[in-house]
Amino acid sequence: SQQGEEDPQALSIQEGENATMNCSYKTSINNLQWYRQNSGRGLVHLILIRSNEREKHSGRLRVTLDTSKKSSSLLITASRAADTASYFCATLDNYGQNFVFGPGTRLSVLP
Amino acid sequence: DVKVTQSSRYLVKRTGEKVFLECVQDMDHENMFWYRQDPGLGLRLIYFSYDVKMKEKGDIPEGYSVSREKKERFSLILESASTNQTSMYLCASSFELGANEKLFFGSGTQLSVL
Repeated sequence: SQQGEEDPQALSIQEGENATMNCSYKTSINNLQWYRQNSGRGLVHLILIRSNEREKHSGRLRVTLDTSKKSSSLLITASRAADTASYFCATLDNYGQNFVFGPGTRLSVLP
Repeated sequence: DVKVTQSSRYLVKRTGEKVFLECVQDMDHENMFWYRQDPGLGLRLIYFSYDVKMKEKGDIPEGYSVSREKKERFSLILESASTNQTSMYLCASSFELGANEKLFFGSGTQLSVL
């Protein structure tokens, strides 16, 4: 069953604005990961947040995790046209073995 | 940096053909995975392998098989391609299984079955 579900499905913003994407999941987790996919390419790992962390930063990325609400958010600050991509959250499946990805959020950053 | 290489970026095949998708990783990772990606459905796991000659079914193994004869290479086989197997196929690898491991992906193969 699908574990992660991103929201919104698509987001369009102007360069320089902040972009926020959300992820909801169903069962308890050890950690949650975010990946990025440029059009027609493979996914690239962005950041991992552990279940005992509430917030994590990496450059212009800020990830939050609320285990009580089973949700995470990815914030990209001061967005650039090069941030245009799809963003996915991933958590482990119910067997704790393989990652399950949601359908992703398509972000378009307009120059 | 880990490199995961998929042999073809684009493939066009006919219904009924046998199709091989090849994936090679250069970081001595134990685990390798095949996903397919369709619009609105995200990534779905087809097969994975945690060791040479070992394979496990993922969520959608029907119509596919895999081969892992060497640690660095993981092949996905479509025994008799059908139009509903038109999709983007992504190979990935990881050092170990588990929540703390991140996946390294290849660039993908866009397969069209006519």
